[in-house]
Parts: sequence; structure tokens; C-alpha cells
Amino acid sequence: QVQLAESGGGVVQPGRSLRLSCAASGFTLSNYGIHWVRQAPGKGLEWVAGISFDGGDIYYADSVKGRFTISRDNSKNTVSLEMNSLRIEDTAVYYCANAAQRGMATIEFEYWGQGALVSVSS
Amino acid sequence: QSVLTQPPSASGTPGQWVSISCSGSTSNIGSMYVYWFQQLPGTAPKVVIYNNNQRPSGVPDRFSGSKSGTSASLAISGLRSEDEADYYCAAWDGSLNSWVFGGGTKVTVL
Repeated sequence: QVQLAESGGGVVQPGRSLRLSCAASGFTLSNYGIHWVRQAPGKGLEWVAGISFDGGDIYYADSVKGRFTISRDNSKNTVSLEMNSLRIEDTAVYYCANAAQRGMATIEFEYWGQGALVSVSS
Repeated sequence: QSVLTQPPSASGTPGQWVSISCSGSTSNIGSMYVYWFQQLPGTAPKVVIYNNNQRPSGVPDRFSGSKSGTSASLAISGLRSEDEADYYCAAWDGSLNSWVFGGGTKVTVL
């Protein structure tokens, strides 16, 4: 059974940093790219960042570019989202979801984690 | 303001057909695959259509997707109470180099 799980959410003051992690079970994370998607309370979905299976391709939404960094450690089977200079408007549930698989046609966003709540508040 | 434009709401009675539109541009829908997601309250989104008109295993054939030019549509036939949810369209944008989502459409089963 394929599962993704986010961790590292919490309450943080504006301007501070937080690091989210995405771990996988039931499949080899190193074969897949990963997306981060967030949803502010009562709002719609917003794509945040994505990384390819080998870390060679990385993309960010304009709203987080220069503040957030996505990375992966395939030896530890995890993908991380380092969030710096957090703003109140970054408050959201953050989901990780699968991106394209190495060398194979893939249904992107087929697997999702349960989400991690990040609350930015003074 | 979302890059992809969806109507905020749609509704129908059980058994009816409902369609949701998603309007974009040449840099996203016009040249890239469209995905559709269903999100039930308090849960993670679930993909119901990928690559414009493909259904993942387990998604009922009541759900169908289509694309024409810079617009896409999700149709739900034989509407059921369990279809009541928020639906989002999404596509890669080749100009922004990012995925873009629609603002979401709340489907209500009357």
C-alpha cells in the first residue's frame, strides 16, 4: 500500500523558519518526483514546489521563490521543504504528492499525504 | 486570482448530468495535459481525471474529461450524493514553469 506522510508542521512566528518532510512507504521514493501543494484555511489548492526523482529539476511557485527550498535525500527516502521568512499568508495545510516516475508514464498527484498544518502567527 | 478559471459552484439532482468548466491559456491548458481533482471535506485531493480524459483505476466511468483549445471540462453523469465535493482543475504552465490550479468548484447534490 502506497503512502506518503508529511511531518514538521506547527506554529511559527512571522519571519521564522520551518522544515517539512515527506516520507514514503510502499514504494521507492527515489524513483519519483515530489510536489508540495498547500491549501490555506477555507481556500483552494496552490502548487508550491516540485522536484524530480534525482533532484535535477526543481521548480517553485512565484509566491515562495527565494524563500522556500525543496530538496531530497534519496539515501533517507525523504523530500524536504525548507520554509524561510514565513509570512502570515503561508498559513496552510501542506501536502506532498507524487510527481513523474523515473522512466515511466506516471499519474502525477496520484498519491497524497494526509497534510501538515503550518500556522504562521505572532 | 487563479490562473485557471472555474465557476465557484455547480449543482444537480441525483441522476442528473453536471459539467464544470476550466478556462486557461495557450501556455497551460492550450498545450499541456489537464488534471481534475475531487476533494471531500477534511481529506486530501484525489485525482479523478489525468491527461485530459483518462480515469485512474477505481474512478467510476460517470466521470469524464475533455479539452478544446484553452478550455477543459469535467462532466459527471448520473450524479450521486457521494459526488458532493470540491473539484479543481490543474495543468503545467510552460511560461510560468509551475503547476497552476483553478479556484475550485463546489458541486452540490440537491
